[in-house]
Amino acid sequence: QVQLVQSGAEVKNPGASVKVSCKASGYTFTTYEMHWMRQAPGQGLQWMGIINPMNGDTMYAQELQGRVTMTRDTSTSTIYMELNNLRSEDAAVYYCARENIPRAKHFDYWGQGTLVTVSS
Amino acid sequence: QSALTQPASVSGSPGQSITISCTGTTRDVGNNNFVSWYQHLPGKAPKLMLCDVSNRPSGVSDRFSGSKSGNTASLTISGLQAEDEADYFCISHRGGSSPYVFGTGTKVTVL
Repeated sequence: QVQLVQSGAEVKNPGASVKVSCKASGYTFTTYEMHWMRQAPGQGLQWMGIINPMNGDTMYAQELQGRVTMTRDTSTSTIYMELNNLRSEDAAVYYCARENIPRAKHFDYWGQGTLVTVSS
Repeated sequence: QSALTQPASVSGSPGQSITISCTGTTRDVGNNNFVSWYQHLPGKAPKLMLCDVSNRPSGVSDRFSGSKSGNTASLTISGLQAEDEADYFCISHRGGSSPYVFGTGTKVTVL
């Protein structure tokens, strides 16, 4: 069965970086594009970006350009999202999600979420 | 970023039907049929319930149905059951540099 398992909660200081992982299993990793989204407390979800696990191509939300990097490791079927120069407003639950094929514009599987706390 | 408007909460008794609306604009909901709905239990991974406005993925109960009129999409849960108690949110694709817009979320309570 398809599973997306994310890394555990993180507590970071302002200005630090955080790297969240999302390990995929139960399907061919390189076939499906993957997205990252986040939800700050009391707010709606926000799209952060997309990565193509086949070739590593990425596209990021404009407001995160320069601070976010998405990568993948095909040997472990894992994608990563690194966010630099953390600010208080980056405190959120971060989710990875698989986009159904072909380019279906919806997400058929999600990770369980990773809580990132930014506090001094 | 702008969000799709959903009612904060909807409630119903077991066996009743409830409808959750998801209102956007001509740039998103009104522009295509790429509206999807998700069920989210606290601490769990969101679950896809409907895609492309009204298509149910395999394994999703036929008590869940979807529709769209203009800039508003709707999710209807028929024969409400206790297990349906959860948060529900919609997502619409709109293309461009910020290709997805998200609903504000609706808490469904089974009385």
